[in-house]
Amino acid sequence: DAGITQSPRHKVTETGTPVTLRCHQTENHRYMYWYRQDPGHGLRLIHYSYGVKDTDKGEVSDGYSVSRSKTEDFLLTLESATSSQTSVYFCAITAGREANTEAFFGQGTRLTVV
Amino acid sequence: GESVGLHLPTLSVQEGDNSIINCAYSNSASDYFIWYKQESGKGPQFIIDIRSNMDKRQGQRVTVLLNKTVKHLSLQIAATQPGDSAVYFCAENMLGYSTLTFGKGTMLLVSP
Repeated sequence: DAGITQSPRHKVTETGTPVTLRCHQTENHRYMYWYRQDPGHGLRLIHYSYGVKDTDKGEVSDGYSVSRSKTEDFLLTLESATSSQTSVYFCAITAGREANTEAFFGQGTRLTVV
Repeated sequence: GESVGLHLPTLSVQEGDNSIINCAYSNSASDYFIWYKQESGKGPQFIIDIRSNMDKRQGQRVTVLLNKTVKHLSLQIAATQPGDSAVYFCAENMLGYSTLTFGKGTMLLVSP
C-alpha cells in the first residue's frame, strides 16, 4: 500500500470554526490531491498540488484552502466550516513522475459540521 | 452519515458468476482510464488501468475493455466472490492534465 496517512480520521466540529485536515505521504511523490465524497456525487476534486508551494483549484474549491510547505505534507483548511462541508475527505497521490498515472488514496477523514 | 453507496446503480450477482460493470466517460480526448474499488469505510483502491492505444487489458480475474468510438469502458470480474462486493468507479485523464475525473460509481453486491 502507498504510504498515505490522513489525520484526523474522524472529526465533529461546529459551524463557523476553522478546521485543518492533514495528508502525509512517505512516497516522495510530486502530485497530491484533496477530494470530497458525497452520496450522489462521487469523488470531486477540491484542490491539488504539483509541488512544494504549487497548488491549484479543483471543481469544488470554494470555502477551502490548501498549503504544501513540504513534499510529504498537504493540508486542507476549512476557514469557517459550514454544514455543506460535512463529507468524507480523501487525500490522493500519484505514483508516477507524471500525473497521468494511477492515484493512490488515503483512508479518508469523515468530517461532520454541526 | 449516509453511505457512499446510496443513490448508486447496483449490480447484484451470485458468487461464481462473471460480473460486468460499465462506465460511460465524458471526454473524447481522454487517453488514460482507471478502475477503482471502494469498500465500505475505506479509500478507493486501484484495480486496473488502460491507455487509449489499447482496447483490452487483463489482470488477475479482471479485464478492462475500452471502446473509444462510443466512449465506453467496462470492467469484467471473473468468478465473482463475496469479497468483491464494493463500489466500483471509473476515472479518466487526459495526457498533460494533472487530474482524474471520476464517474459516480456502481455498487456490486455478491451473494454467497
